[in-house]
Amino acid sequence: NAGVMQNPRHLVRRRGQEARLRCSPMKGHSHVYWYRQLPEEGLKFMVYLQKENIIDESGMPKERFSAEFPKEGPSILRIQQVVRGDSAAYFCASSPARGGAYEQYFGPGTRLTVT
Amino acid sequence: QKEVEQNSGPLSVPEGAIASLNCTYSDRGSQSFFWYRQYSGKSPELIMFIYSNGDKEDGRFTAQLNKASQYVSLLIRDSQPSDSATYLCAVNRNTGNQFYFGTGTSLTVIP
Repeated sequence: NAGVMQNPRHLVRRRGQEARLRCSPMKGHSHVYWYRQLPEEGLKFMVYLQKENIIDESGMPKERFSAEFPKEGPSILRIQQVVRGDSAAYFCASSPARGGAYEQYFGPGTRLTVT
Repeated sequence: QKEVEQNSGPLSVPEGAIASLNCTYSDRGSQSFFWYRQYSGKSPELIMFIYSNGDKEDGRFTAQLNKASQYVSLLIRDSQPSDSATYLCAVNRNTGNQFYFGTGTSLTVIP
């Protein structure tokens, strides 16, 4: 399967716990985007990363949220001290190169539920 | 003003008809335009992308771009019930990092 992979597909956390979402880009892709989608709302950009480098994190909340894309391994979106408002679908997308001329392909998403 | 605007619908068309989905964008510097299909509970799936003014056809799908009017559309010919989904429009400036998505148009194809 050469597609974008995300895990876990479903994640339940209690308020105050940490959530870690993982994304492995499509083979040959080195650029990763994270989005959040709330019910009945559109996709909201959070962060754009290349290997070992955060390119644009302007869409990510300043507190509790962080992202990384290490040299080896998947990209990780980390949410500390989760609150109910963090419940959403989180999608990762990858593209082969930088810039909007290249289309993005989405992973299956992680559905986060905060109880 | 939102970066990308779409009519949320729902849009209903009979099977076999042409479905027309529309999208407007605010940034005249936008250069790349994408249409995604999203089934309920699933992830967005890329249908088409278009960079130049005019029409681009791929099977039953035609994307149309008019940069002067800041307008992009998607036509689905011979609509099938399996086309029932939410269609997302996305735009990007080639030099930019962000893809801006509309909130989507819900399409229902009635058998």
